[in-house]
Amino acid sequence: QVELQQWGAGLLKPSETLSLTCAVSGGSFRGFYWSWIRRPPGKGLEWIGEINHDGGTIYNPSLKSRVTISLDTSKNQFSLRLNSVTAADTAVYFCTRGYRGMDVWGQGTTVTVPS
Amino acid sequence: QSVLTQPPSVSGAPGQRVTFSCTGNSSNIGAGYDVHWYQQLPGTSTKLLIYGNTNRPSGVPDRISGSKSGTSASLAITGLQAEDEADYFCQSYDHSLSAVVFGGGTKLTVL
Repeated sequence: QVELQQWGAGLLKPSETLSLTCAVSGGSFRGFYWSWIRRPPGKGLEWIGEINHDGGTIYNPSLKSRVTISLDTSKNQFSLRLNSVTAADTAVYFCTRGYRGMDVWGQGTTVTVPS
Repeated sequence: QSVLTQPPSVSGAPGQRVTFSCTGNSSNIGAGYDVHWYQQLPGTSTKLLIYGNTNRPSGVPDRISGSKSGTSASLAITGLQAEDEADYFCQSYDHSLSAVVFGGGTKLTVL
């Protein structure tokens, strides 16, 4: 049973860097893609980007200039960094495992950036 | 504004059947990309309900089904239960945006 446990700072100031980490337990990185998704208040889900087991990344073009997703296979973790945050980045952030659809989700982390 | 269009809300009484629509275009659903469906419960717990348009992961009951036709997809739930009350999202890929895309979500209210 694969589980994702995520953590990171929940309150940021404008222009700071959002940093979240997701730990994978009960499974391997190989053969899957590992994504970050967010849900702003009152809105739908937004894909931020993904990384595969080889470290290859694909980012949402709308966020690409500010996003970095990285992998630490020795710790079974992957991470998200989002630079220069604004109030528009306020959302619940999720890490996910994907193959045929995103079949495992983290519990979500609320990140707030006051305006 | 989400790339995939979903109605903001649907409702039904216990035992009834409800459907959720997801409308895209020729760059995403209509281009042949798979549609996946998710349930997000109050409190953010999120579950994959349907993958690859019509397939249920292990553990998802057969009262939940998915379909796809042209530029649209649908999710159906029969035998509605109180615990089905949640937000439902469709997801696909858009080649013109080079991005994974989601619908805006539909809130299900069980009357």
